[in-house]
Amino acid sequence: AQKITQTQPGMFVQEKEAVTLDCTYDTSDPSYGLFWYKQPSSGEMIFLIYQGSYDQQNATEGRYSLNFQKARKSANLVISASQLGDSAMYFCAMREGIVSGGYNKLIFGAGTRLAVHP
Amino acid sequence: DGGITQSPKYLFRKEGQNVTLSCEQNLNHDAMYWYRQDPGQGLRLIYYSQIVNDFQKGDIAEGYSVSREKKESFPLTVTSAQKNPTAFYLCASSTPGLRGGELFFGEGSRLTVL
Repeated sequence: AQKITQTQPGMFVQEKEAVTLDCTYDTSDPSYGLFWYKQPSSGEMIFLIYQGSYDQQNATEGRYSLNFQKARKSANLVISASQLGDSAMYFCAMREGIVSGGYNKLIFGAGTRLAVHP
Repeated sequence: DGGITQSPKYLFRKEGQNVTLSCEQNLNHDAMYWYRQDPGQGLRLIYYSQIVNDFQKGDIAEGYSVSREKKESFPLTVTSAQKNPTAFYLCASSTPGLRGGELFFGEGSRLTVL
């Protein structure tokens, strides 16, 4: 079974509008972490936001927020006021369990390609 | 500036040849990772290392080998046993921290087998 599912292969948004990128996850471990990364055409993976399974509030980082619905096992990324530079691939990832031994094994979804139009 | 340096950025290999991808970090992180990315797919974990002289297989380790002789370096060798080595390879490092111990990535190495 897929651990991380991103059902939107591609998304389009108008500049300055908000967009939501979907992510659902599957784990039976009560402790887990959820991450979103951005991958521009250059290839580097850029960290955007993190949500721990026990965090009471939704995470926010500037224009990025994570809509965490634990019962539904969803962790959607919301980008407010889209900019042309937001055009990229976006990946949702999960760590099952706590950070043990200092390493952090992440499982990635297949990604969503976002195109921002002027 | 602290970061992760991968080289080469592009690499071409003939079938049957081994090739080594370099990964160096100056972030003083203990943990390092190698991921593989194929078109239309997410990243898959090849190997990871928690400390010097120790490393563990990830989900797709067959046909790959690594070493961790120095904290800063975690080279990946793609051997001739890897049946489909053409892919984009990403190296990462991490340390426990406030943001869930996020992974820091290099810019990647694109390997093409001719």
